[in-house]
Amino acid sequence: GAGVSQSPSNKVTEKGKDVELRCDPISGHTALYWYRQSLGQGLEFLIYFQGNSAPDKSGLPSDRFSAERTGGSVSTLTIQRTQQEDSAVYLCASSFLGTGELFFGEGSRLTVL
Amino acid sequence: DAKTTQPNSMESNEEEPVHLPCNHSTISGTDYIHWYRQLPSQGPEYVIHGLTSNVNNRMASLAIAEDRKSSTLILHRATLRDAAVYYCILRHNQGGKLIFGQGTELSVKP
Repeated sequence: GAGVSQSPSNKVTEKGKDVELRCDPISGHTALYWYRQSLGQGLEFLIYFQGNSAPDKSGLPSDRFSAERTGGSVSTLTIQRTQQEDSAVYLCASSFLGTGELFFGEGSRLTVL
Repeated sequence: DAKTTQPNSMESNEEEPVHLPCNHSTISGTDYIHWYRQLPSQGPEYVIHGLTSNVNNRMASLAIAEDRKSSTLILHRATLRDAAVYYCILRHNQGGKLIFGQGTELSVKP
């Protein structure tokens, strides 16, 4: 597809389990962003990748959160030992270089029981 | 990151123009003004951006004050599909992360 693809679209997990969320950016886009949005709230920045530069991890809320980007393309956001407050929609976006407009995926809705 | 201030909500009537204000008094000379919007149950989408001069595209117009401390997003004829949260964001000219504020929730009445 031509857009940003995220999977799974919905994930229900139990407290304490680990989850992985995947993002396939638009082909050729070198910058990739992760955000999360809790119910009724605005977007919270998590992490930003640009090319081969060190990622900007300044938004990760705790060391339970990590993300990697393999081969400059696909990214995986991992949340270890999930807590109920981790429940949110996790949005991925990509852009051409780090200066272009962001294109967002549909998001992965995470529910922690 | 320089901060923006927007009203929490605004109302408009269908087919009338809408002016969405944004204050950014601490903007630096290297900050671009970006607007995104988020329709219900969707990810945000890009609307428009500018630096100093007013900008027009197929979606909207952006009017930037001469001192750059405020800007206005103009939807020329609001439709019901324009009901969304509109975010005004400052972005350094080198790019990088976008920090979203709370935005303005626009409702459009038929």
